[in-house]
Amino acid sequence: ETVLTQSPATLSLSPGERATLSCRASQSVGSDFIAWYQLKPGQVPSLLIYGASSRATGIPHRFSGSASGTEFTLTINGLEPEDFAVYYCQNYGSSPITFGGGTKVEIK
Amino acid sequence: QVQLEESGPGLVKPSQTLSLTCTVSGDSVRSGGHYWSWIRQHPVQGLEWIGYMYYGGDIYSKPSLKSRVIISIDPSKNQFSLKLTSVTAADSAIYYCARASLDGESYFDYWGRGTLVTVST
Repeated sequence: ETVLTQSPATLSLSPGERATLSCRASQSVGSDFIAWYQLKPGQVPSLLIYGASSRATGIPHRFSGSASGTEFTLTINGLEPEDFAVYYCQNYGSSPITFGGGTKVEIK
Repeated sequence: QVQLEESGPGLVKPSQTLSLTCTVSGDSVRSGGHYWSWIRQHPVQGLEWIGYMYYGGDIYSKPSLKSRVIISIDPSKNQFSLKLTSVTAADSAIYYCARASLDGESYFDYWGRGTLVTVST
C-alpha cells in the first residue's frame, strides 16, 4: 500500500502567517490523486483539496495544494483563527486508500 | 445540502460486533453515483479507511480489516451500515461515515460528525 508521511507533526504559527504542510508518498500516486482534509474536534471534517491542487467547493483561496513527484504540499496563506486544526492528506490513486498521520497546526 | 449522521452504541465489549448506522439526507444511497464509506480516527495513529460500497455493488475494504468488515445499504431508510466483528481495544476510535465519488476519484466530499466507540469490558 502507499504510505503517506506527513511533516511536521505539529506546526506552531501565529495568525496571519503562512503554513506549509508536507505529505510524502512512498510510491507514485496515480494521476496525483491526493486530497487534503481539515479536522476539528466535534465538527464535520472538511474536504479542502482534491487532485493535489483543485480547491473544493466553498474553500477559501488562501488554501492551495501542489505536487512535485511524490511530494505534495498544502499551503495556507495568511492563517485565520478558524484554520488552527489537524490536516490530513489522503491517497486515492492506488488501492487501498490510505491517509497520512496528520499535521496539527496550533497557535503559537 | 448533503448531510450524514452516524449512530450506534458508544461502548462495545471485546470479541463482540460493533454496529453503526449512517443516515443520509440530501442524497439517495440508491443513486448509484457514490461510494458510501466508513473511516475511523485513532487517538494517535490518525485516519484509517475501513471500506465502502455502492448500491448494488461489491464491498471494498482495507485488506487488514476485510475478514471482519460488513457494509450494507438500506435504501428504504436511506441508510448504510457498518458491522465490525470480533473487536478488540485496538478498534476503539471515532468512526466517521462519508461519501466518495464513484467516477474513479474517490475522495470524500461529505462526512458525518463522527461517533466515538470504545471497546472495553
